[in-house]
Amino acid sequence: GAVVSQHPSRVICKSGTSVKIECRSLDFQATTMFWYRQFPKQSLMLMATSNEGSKATYEQGVEKDKFLINHASLTLSTLTVTSAHPEDSSFYICSATSQPDTQETQYFGPGTRLLVL
Amino acid sequence: AQTVTQSQPEMSVQEAETVTLSCTYDTSESDYYLFWYKQPPSRQMILVIRQEAYKQQNATENRFSVNFQKAAKSFSLKISDSQLGDAAMYFCAYSSMNRDDKIIFGKGTRLHILP
Repeated sequence: GAVVSQHPSRVICKSGTSVKIECRSLDFQATTMFWYRQFPKQSLMLMATSNEGSKATYEQGVEKDKFLINHASLTLSTLTVTSAHPEDSSFYICSATSQPDTQETQYFGPGTRLLVL
Repeated sequence: AQTVTQSQPEMSVQEAETVTLSCTYDTSESDYYLFWYKQPPSRQMILVIRQEAYKQQNATENRFSVNFQKAAKSFSLKISDSQLGDAAMYFCAYSSMNRDDKIIFGKGTRLHILP
């Protein structure tokens, strides 16, 4: 149980285009999902907290107009990188808390590697 | 603000031996959760073990166990009988009791297993 998927697993795009990354909780309902960014050999950096049916809460320094987050259902959150530039190239990871799970654990997706040319 | 510190950027251990990864944290809260996550080369984050601060008993999960010292704010991970598959980046993490609160990660310790 508590499986989180991400799609796509890797994407290459041209500078100036937008890229959408999906995060799905496959076997549980996730009222809250988190989006992280991870640079090579570094820890995870939280970008935003996404609550179903409401606006995402962004961390300081993260541009909300650049990284659009939508959490339209209890099993799906999307991150759209708008007008992507090479500096947006990174590894993006989502996680979700399991609603029936009382153990307050975040379950992570496998990540999406974004390369902007 | 809470912080998590992992002072060992890299460690190595001989296969079948035991290794301990260190983690200290700082918080003013009395109840919270602590985690160890493993990130292998696939980069999938895997929960290794979790500890509730209100529990005095150290958490154990097969070959993985923790030494939780609440007063010292220390949370080390012991891996017994190390296996090649244990090679990964290990992150210590802290979370408050609120399920919607963010996790605070340490910088990680890269563990190498020597055959």
